[in-house]
Amino acid sequence: DAGVIQSPRHEVTEMGQEVTLRCKPISGHDYLFWYRQTMMRGLELLIYFNNNVPIDDSGMPEDRFSAKMPNASFSTLKIQPSEPRDSAVYFCASSLRGGAYEQYFGPGTRLTVT
Amino acid sequence: KNQVEQSPQSLIILEGKNCTLQCNYTVSPFSNLRWYKQDTGRGPVSLTIMTFSENTKSNGRYTATLDADTKQSSLHITASQLSDSASYICVVERYGGSQGNLIFGKGTKLSVKP
Repeated sequence: DAGVIQSPRHEVTEMGQEVTLRCKPISGHDYLFWYRQTMMRGLELLIYFNNNVPIDDSGMPEDRFSAKMPNASFSTLKIQPSEPRDSAVYFCASSLRGGAYEQYFGPGTRLTVT
Repeated sequence: KNQVEQSPQSLIILEGKNCTLQCNYTVSPFSNLRWYKQDTGRGPVSLTIMTFSENTKSNGRYTATLDADTKQSSLHITASQLSDSASYICVVERYGGSQGNLIFGKGTKLSVKP
């Protein structure tokens, strides 16, 4: 398996623009997670899905953030409108099951909002 | 308050030497503790996952210990190599909550010098 795939790897956009980040989890994994990482705050869980259903979105910072998982092999994280403080690295991860199962992370998308 | 504290923040060692990274947590109730290695510019990679009943777990030259009574964990790296240069993140999951009850440490940045 190719592992978790994310696109784009880098995104530079202007404040106010819509940004869409994409993720393809490992085939057969039931759980998908979106994380954000900054120097100040470290890694933060934004939202996770189980069998394509959003389970916990309490980490989503504001209504400007939304995530979808239309099928088992694809998820998006959208920011609209984007702001400079959204600049961070966004990771997608997947795991076979919940609980103490290993999460496999993608390479991340580095987002810069100017 | 549920927190995970890691020490030191950064560490420089010479190739071939051993080192130990610390993780103290106040997360309750406890489910499991994870150590991740994150190379610069890449996603975290799982090293170990330990549940309440596990005291020690090894993964090659990496050995993690867990003392659930004192709420402390350590990650010991033996015979360090240049490729061990990375950030090491400790993560604790709360028991009984959703998968989203993951509490992240800020990480220890390890540099191994020749």
